[in-house]
Amino acid sequence: EADIYQTPRYLVIGTGKKITLECSQTMGHDKMYWYQQDPGMELHLIHYSYGVNSTEKGDLSSESTVSRIRTEHFPLTLESARPSHTSQYLCASSPGQGWYGYTFGSGTRLTVV
Amino acid sequence: KNEVEQSPQNLTAQEGEFITINCSYSVGISALHWLQQHPGGGIVSLFMLSSGKKKHGRLIATINIQEKHSSLHITASHPRDSAVYICARWTGGFKTIFGAGTRLFVKA
Repeated sequence: EADIYQTPRYLVIGTGKKITLECSQTMGHDKMYWYQQDPGMELHLIHYSYGVNSTEKGDLSSESTVSRIRTEHFPLTLESARPSHTSQYLCASSPGQGWYGYTFGSGTRLTVV
Repeated sequence: KNEVEQSPQNLTAQEGEFITINCSYSVGISALHWLQQHPGGGIVSLFMLSSGKKKHGRLIATINIQEKHSSLHITASHPRDSAVYICARWTGGFKTIFGAGTRLFVKA
């Protein structure tokens, strides 16, 4: 059973709309990540967080923003969706120091029309 | 060029066959991660290793640090093994580099 939850699972939205993709984890992990994955391509890091009130941009330029007000919650927001934002967005988390691999959410498939 | 290269990109096998998926990386690592992504998109962790070999059920992962190479083997493959298999390397900090994945289809 997944301990990291993403909603919605699928989203089709019009250009210019503001959207928030939700991600919550129940494992108490300090580190959380957002990845973007186009079909058949590798995952690219767009945002990460080491803990509450700590957020950083990843390698892939993104027009999205994130917040980390609570340990368990790491939402991603697009202020004005564009067709170029169409992709799959995957949230992941990992515990504290070192690297213990990731636990991934099921992803949100976003289509902007 | 991705720093993590997987081969083959696509693989079709008959049920029962022994399968090998390869992963090569260009920079030294602290750990390597094998993941499985099902058609629905969800990603499951299979192995994390920094040396030697690990086994779980019909899955075996090996790594050769000197040659910067890892392999994932599936023994007695089954149609439910059909998925994308991804390797990812971690060199420290927040950064993990993912391969593009190997798409495996096992025919009954």
